[in-house]
Amino acid sequence: DAGITQSPRHKVTETGTPVTLRCHQTENHRYMYWYRQDPGHGLRLIHYSYGVKDTDKGEVSDGYSVSRSKTEDFLLTLESATSSQTSVYFCAISARDRPWDTFGSGTRLTVV
Amino acid sequence: QQQVKQSPQSLIVQKGGISIINCAYENTAFDYFPWYQQFPGKGPALLIAIRPDVSEKKEGRFTISFNKSAKQFSLHIMDSQPGDSATYFCAASRSGSEKLVFGKGTKLTVNP
Repeated sequence: DAGITQSPRHKVTETGTPVTLRCHQTENHRYMYWYRQDPGHGLRLIHYSYGVKDTDKGEVSDGYSVSRSKTEDFLLTLESATSSQTSVYFCAISARDRPWDTFGSGTRLTVV
Repeated sequence: QQQVKQSPQSLIVQKGGISIINCAYENTAFDYFPWYQQFPGKGPALLIAIRPDVSEKKEGRFTISFNKSAKQFSLHIMDSQPGDSATYFCAASRSGSEKLVFGKGTKLTVNP
C-alpha cells in the first residue's frame, strides 16, 4: 500500500518469545495506529501514537507495547507471545485532513 | 459494548444488482463515518466517507446514506460487479478523538 510498509509480512514464532513488528510510513502523518484483525471481531485498536515518543493504549493493549522514536516508524512489540496473539496486524496512518486514509498490507503472525 | 453494529455479516448479490450494507451507532458524538473495502490478503482501503452535515454522498457506483436521527448509515453499491466481492467495514469517530471504531464487517459476494 502506498505510503506504508509493514514488516515482516508473515511470521511464525514460539510461545513465550518476544516479537517486534515494524510499520514505516513515507507520508509524514502525525498519527499512527496498530490494529489486530480477527474473524468475527473486525479491527480492534491495540495502541496508537500522536507524535514521536507520544503513545497511548487502545482497547486490546494487554501484552503489547509500542515505540515511536521517529515520525516514520512505529514498532509493535509482543513482550512474550501467546497463542491468543495469533492474528493479522495492520498499521494505519492518519492526518487531520486525511483521517485514517491509509492502512498497511498487514503482518500475519502465528504463535505456536 | 459494541459501538458500531454492522449488518448483514454476509451478502450475496447478482451482477448488476444493488448491494446494501447497514451500520448503526450509539455515540451521538460521532461525526465521521468512513467505509473501507478489504480484499483477501490486503489491508482495508478507504472507499468513501461522510460527515453528518450531509445526508448522502456519492462516488461513482458507491453511495453513503446517513440518517442522523436514527443513528444509522448505509453503503449502497449500484450495478454490483464480481470485482466488488470483498469484505466491507463501516467505522465511526468523533472530532478530537484519535480512535476509529469499526463494525465487524460484511463479506460481499457478487455472482456473475
